[in-house]
Amino acid sequence: QKEVEQDPGPLSVPEGAIVSLNCTYSNSAFQYFMWYRQYSRKGPELLMYTYSSGNKEDGRFTAQVDKSSKYISLFIRDSQPSDSATYLCATHTGGFKTIFGAGTRLFVKA
Amino acid sequence: EAGVAQSPRYKIIEKRQSVAFWCNPISGHATLYWYQQILGQGPKLLIQFQNNGVVDDSQLPKDRFSAERLKGVDSTLKIQPAKLEDSAVYLCASSLPFSRGTEAFFGQGTRLTVV
Repeated sequence: QKEVEQDPGPLSVPEGAIVSLNCTYSNSAFQYFMWYRQYSRKGPELLMYTYSSGNKEDGRFTAQVDKSSKYISLFIRDSQPSDSATYLCATHTGGFKTIFGAGTRLFVKA
Repeated sequence: EAGVAQSPRYKIIEKRQSVAFWCNPISGHATLYWYQQILGQGPKLLIQFQNNGVVDDSQLPKDRFSAERLKGVDSTLKIQPAKLEDSAVYLCASSLPFSRGTEAFFGQGTRLTVV
């Protein structure tokens, strides 16, 4: 079993839709949770960083962590074609090694 | 502020050949990471440096991969000899000294194809 599982998609939505991206993880010691966005042929860039359970909002993006079910989500409101990218969830225990999911490819159609 | 610089952007080599990648981190970033990203997968940490010292290299295939960080700044990652399964994007990232809220900044990566 992989430590972080993420559906690779692709996920295709019309412009303006609400997008829901999800990951599950297996290690209950994970405390820190991140979402990265990776455009084609670019390196990942950090979108959201959360600690423990709860919600965090930044503009059109909301990150949600449910530690009881080991489930993390990223919601994108009013999705735009510029949001088309691969979204990677990631986590670590507070130590050094960050574990990434496989990434979900998102396409937002104009 | 300049980002993480990597070179070359692309490299094609034959199996059993050697190859080296170079990374220049963001100025002042003490921590440097090398990740391997195989097509369709998330990045996998190969090695992490804090200044000159290695913090974690548990997933580095040490029989063929080596990395060094000169004077705590630039870093090189070498593969010798390369195998077909080494085809991947090699990402370098850097950050301030690692703490729980530290953000790592990634370079654009070097895309390696082994034929």
